[in-house]
Amino acid sequence: DQQVKQNSPSLSVQEGRISILNCDYTNSMFDYFLWYKKYPAEGPTFLISISSIKDKNEDGRFTVFLNKSAKHLSLHIVPSQPGDSAVYFCAASPSQGGKLIFGQGTELSVKP
Amino acid sequence: ETGVTQTPRHLVMGMTNKKSLKCEQHLGHNAMYWYKQSAKKPLELMFVYSLEERVENNSVPSRFSPECPNSSHLFLHLHTLQPEDSALYLCASSQDTGTGYGYTFGSGTRLTVV
Repeated sequence: DQQVKQNSPSLSVQEGRISILNCDYTNSMFDYFLWYKKYPAEGPTFLISISSIKDKNEDGRFTVFLNKSAKHLSLHIVPSQPGDSAVYFCAASPSQGGKLIFGQGTELSVKP
Repeated sequence: ETGVTQTPRHLVMGMTNKKSLKCEQHLGHNAMYWYKQSAKKPLELMFVYSLEERVENNSVPSRFSPECPNSSHLFLHLHTLQPEDSALYLCASSQDTGTGYGYTFGSGTRLTVV
């Protein structure tokens, strides 16, 4: 039973446009959510997080939105740059101190 | 230096071989993890160590044997693996097991079982 799902295995976006990566979860006990970014031949690196008391968190070009009623979160990248091309993993935990459960990742390709 | 170093970066082994993956962290973290990443699948948590004690084993087959001699080093001993065990094996560390946002990953070992 996959508790964190990223249903789009890949996404292609033109440079300068918005990239929207989606993530759904099933466990209502999750209340802390993170996005990790992974380049080929490197380990995942932390990108941005959000707790369930918020519905939006912004860090530069990256914004994460959380819709608790829909059990859905999304990562917006504006404007997208070719260097953003990577695999993005959504992760969730039952608390800020809990074990991370990862989705299967979405490969983003930003074309010049 | 990434803070979490994994060796080797690539490994090809036969099904009857015995090999070990090594992970080392220089961050002063107390918790270390092994994850498996297969193509198109989520990152799968395999083992969790806290202060050198195994605190979680997620139904991993016994052909995978972890070892944590101290809080800076983590090993994954491999023996009689199957081709379906081919994957990217990632090590991570965090300040403690309660710090979900503080995972630092290594670059991984790409394992191919032939």
